[in-house]
Amino acid sequence: RKEVEQDPGPFNVPEGATVAFNCTYSNSASQSFFWYRQDCRKEPKLLMSVYSSGNEDGRFTAQLNRASQYISLLIRDSKLSDSATYLCAGIDSNYQLIWGAGTKLIIKP
Amino acid sequence: DAGVTQSPTHLIKTRGQQVTLRCSPKSGHDTVSWYQQALGQGPQFIFQYYEEEERQRGNFPDRFSGHQFPNYSSELNVNALLLGDSALYLCASSLGDNTQYFGPGTRLTVL
Repeated sequence: RKEVEQDPGPFNVPEGATVAFNCTYSNSASQSFFWYRQDCRKEPKLLMSVYSSGNEDGRFTAQLNRASQYISLLIRDSKLSDSATYLCAGIDSNYQLIWGAGTKLIIKP
Repeated sequence: DAGVTQSPTHLIKTRGQQVTLRCSPKSGHDTVSWYQQALGQGPQFIFQYYEEEERQRGNFPDRFSGHQFPNYSSELNVNALLLGDSALYLCASSLGDNTQYFGPGTRLTVL
């Protein structure tokens, strides 16, 4: 079993809709989690950190559920420019950043 | 303030050759991590350098080696290239164990 797993998608979503991704992790010792956005043939860019209490940044909301060992990302009022691959990552006890394979999101007009 | 920079942006090599990739961290950052990202996959951790020493290493063979210089910049060396080494190589810098910021990557193609 992979340490961090994501549904690869693609998620095809109409513009303006709300979309949610989950990411599960197997190492309960993982301390910190992040969502990164990666455009085609570009580097990952930090979207937001994920806190147990949940955090919100504009149209984006991230949640961490330690009991069920998953993190989530919610995108409201999706825009065409939100089309990208969304990668979740966690830092394990050795301070290594462990990544999921990414979920591809396609926003359609 | 320059972000993380990497060179070269693209590279084509043949099997058996050696390659050196370079990374300059974001200003104020002292830690550099290297990742390999194959097409359609998430990045895979290669190793991390801090205070000019390899602090952590992922599951990569000894053909992959690195170095960090006193100015915190870093190099990734890969010897005896294989076709399977073709990937996007990402460098990320951070201040200690804080959030990592990525450079644009070097796309390596091994023929």
